[in-house]
Formats: sequence, C-alpha cells, structure tokens
Amino acid sequence: DAGVTQSPTHLIKTRGQQVTLRCSPKSGHDTVSWYQQALGQGPQFIFQYYEEEERQRGNFPDRFSGHQFPNYSSELNVNALLLGDSALYLCASSYNRVAEQYFGPGTRLTVT
Amino acid sequence: DQQVKQNSPSLSVQEGRISILNCDYTNSMFDYFLWYKKYPAEGPTFLISISSIKDKNEDGRFTVFLNKSAKHLSLHIVPSQPGDSAVYFCAASAFLRTGANNLFFGTGTRLTVIP
Repeated sequence: DAGVTQSPTHLIKTRGQQVTLRCSPKSGHDTVSWYQQALGQGPQFIFQYYEEEERQRGNFPDRFSGHQFPNYSSELNVNALLLGDSALYLCASSYNRVAEQYFGPGTRLTVT
Repeated sequence: DQQVKQNSPSLSVQEGRISILNCDYTNSMFDYFLWYKKYPAEGPTFLISISSIKDKNEDGRFTVFLNKSAKHLSLHIVPSQPGDSAVYFCAASAFLRTGANNLFFGTGTRLTVIP
C-alpha cells in the first residue's frame, strides 16, 4: 500500500518565478492538506482540500493556491516566489473528518 | 501566537530507560492531540493520538497522557531504543463544522537515545 507521495523531491527557483508541487494521497484517503515547514520550526498549515474544494485556509497570502483532482491528488502553486518561500513543503492526507493525517516526504524548495 | 508549545528543544536518554516528551497548548477548543516522529529528509510519521475526552492512550511502547485542566500532554516511550532518536512533534487539531481541520504543531523536541 503506497503512502503519500510528493514530487519533485527538490526544486530550485528564482525570485519572482512560479512553482507547482504535486501530491498523491494514501490509498483510500479523500482529504489533502498542505503545510510549510521552515528550518527549526514545526509545519504550518497552508490549506486543506476536500471534494475538489478548498475548505480551510491558514494564514498564507493569495500567492499560494491549490487544486484537488477527482482522483484526490492535489497540487500546490506558489506565484511570485520570494526568498522567504524557501522551505520544506509537506502534503498530508486523511479520511474526511478524521484527525490523523499522514505525511509525504516533502518537497524542498529553494528560492534564490 | 504559538498555540502549541514544546519547551524542551532536546532530550537525551539512556537506552532502556523512559523518555518523556512534554507539550503545552493554549486553545481549549482543540479536540484531538497527536504525536509525530520525524527523521531528517523525511516527512513526519504519525505515532499516536488521543481524543480530548480521554486522559490516556497506549500503543505498544508509546503512551500519551492528557491533562486538560493543565492544558498539557506528554508522550512516554518505554523502553527507549536507539532507533527512537528523532525529532518529535506534538500537534493539536480542532474540527470546524464543515469537517475541516488543520494541525497546529509545536517546534519539536530532538530525542537522542544513547546506547
């Protein structure tokens, strides 16, 4: 049974560019959440998708957007990249209305 | 405003002894609490959770205790093993009426188990 998968593993982008990160949830899970983890910090919630809609959003600007597809996979898009967007981006999946979330290995984004 | 706090950045324990990791929270609306373990270059791995209506949950070597009046929870690992060496994150969750929930994380405690 495959767990949560994310691609790419690492990414280097230039300030002002745009990036798309991808996530496939654990088999059977229908809810996908995205988190940003800066060095030395705990993950911070970006948003959660269920039934192809964003149903909760954390304190992140509109430059961060996402999408969920009918097969429950998800994308995170970040526009107009800033140096401060450099972080580990984690995708987590879960069953609807269940607290336990299962994380993928993350995508390490470096903005130069 | 940090709603979940782990005040000990690091902890060292001898193999075979008990490891106790602590976590405090401020929001009384949290209804689930979770512990995750994280190795370098990997995502957090779910360990154990507890509902706010319980005060203890046990799974093998791992036990989580919840003290709601003190807004405090702890993770006990007995006996500790060298493979337990990792960063441990405490997380808390509150469900909205929509069914949405997000996890609020502490800053982590690095556990080192000395052989």
